[in-house]
Amino acid sequence: GAVVSQHPSRVICKSGTSVKIECRSLDFQATTMFWYRQFPKQSLMLMATSNEGSKATYEQGVEKDKFLINHASLTLSTLTVTSAHPEDSSFYICSAPRYSVWGTDTQYFGPGTRLTVL
Amino acid sequence: ELKVEQNPLFLSMQEGKNYTIYCNYSTTSDRLYWYRQDPGKSLESLFVLLSNGAVKQEGRLMASLDTKARLSTLHITAAVHDLSATYFCAVGGDMRFGAGTRLTVKP
Repeated sequence: GAVVSQHPSRVICKSGTSVKIECRSLDFQATTMFWYRQFPKQSLMLMATSNEGSKATYEQGVEKDKFLINHASLTLSTLTVTSAHPEDSSFYICSAPRYSVWGTDTQYFGPGTRLTVL
Repeated sequence: ELKVEQNPLFLSMQEGKNYTIYCNYSTTSDRLYWYRQDPGKSLESLFVLLSNGAVKQEGRLMASLDTKARLSTLHITAAVHDLSATYFCAVGGDMRFGAGTRLTVKP
């Protein structure tokens, strides 16, 4: 079945450093991928929609310069948290839709990346 | 802006009992999803509902969609402990999530 991978699964960094998270669709192509943030015991909040070959679409309140998104190919999107601070500590999850021949889509979620900023 | 409300947020039930989780949304949408999340894990897709009156069942879970009422339900039949998890609905192509329902099934 379709699989979406994320790397790394867990990262601990010092405040002020930048962290890159990769999201890959392993056996299908994804022109669109979604990035979410989830704080403990809360729901997923959509941060941005990553579009292959064009700029990402950010949700209101999400800083574009802080959360850099690059959709370099049809199977890879990256999220870079720049100058990370402790309040950026969270669980980051990506997803990618896979479309059936009937046009319906199933969202496949990556396993998530737990970011801890010290 | 699309708003998605789930209730209840917390649900504790005994094994063997039935219960329903509700998902209301504020604007018209052509699709609704249900997901399961276990602690510390990512999301597992349960159902995709695409049309008014759609009903899907998998094991002890059954999901339905009423687009006119902007309401989806996730019905749990004869709950078992393995169903303990957090359940989310999400609406629309850009996946607006509800707050989640934390389900605990007790023996």
